[in-house]
Amino acid sequence: AQSVTQPDIHITVSEGASLELRCNYSYGATPYLFWYVQSPGQGLQLLLKYFSGDTLVQGIKGFEAEFKRSQSSFNLRKPSVHWSDAAEYFCAVVPRHAGNMLTFGGGTRLMVKP
Amino acid sequence: DGGITQSPKYLFRKEGQNVTLSCEQNLNHDAMYWYRQDPGQGLRLIYYSQIVNDFQKGDIAEGYSVSREKKESFPLTVTSAQKNPTAFYLCASKDSGNLNTGELFFGEGSRLTVL
Repeated sequence: AQSVTQPDIHITVSEGASLELRCNYSYGATPYLFWYVQSPGQGLQLLLKYFSGDTLVQGIKGFEAEFKRSQSSFNLRKPSVHWSDAAEYFCAVVPRHAGNMLTFGGGTRLMVKP
Repeated sequence: DGGITQSPKYLFRKEGQNVTLSCEQNLNHDAMYWYRQDPGQGLRLIYYSQIVNDFQKGDIAEGYSVSREKKESFPLTVTSAQKNPTAFYLCASKDSGNLNTGELFFGEGSRLTVL
């Protein structure tokens, strides 16, 4: 079945430490890939997206993501986390040849220790 | 400022009552969406509309209804038939020229609690 999975429900990192949030997808053809961030009680904001080309994508707020076809993954990274990065992060996909609906992963809640 | 406005932000209702959540956008987007968010389940699509006077069911449409009489507005009614309506509801829109690759723009959400 087609799906997008975020294996980690919660992650806690110390401020200044590096961060990697995992996202795996299961689709026949590589879908369009997105990462969104949601601050508590707010809507979602797009961090970055991948359609084709360079597999390392730069986004806003110092985030980047790397597409790895062999692993069907699109992991989000940040070299040094700030307290303001505490939020929920959603990986999302749009199938390339089957409509235009965005399907979201279950989300990863990031907590940042001082 | 262009954006999406959802109201009310918080809403309490008694069981068995219908409630309507408002969503207005001034981004001139053709496509609008309603999502429901529950802890640990991500976002699930309730209804979407790609053009005025037309809308389609999403994955969890039962117990909900929508209308799209104006491009700017896409209200969601949570009916008494919805068995578990307490949730956070998010409205979004997208430029229809980029339905596959375009960014979804979200409102700030409405939290509905049924007592």
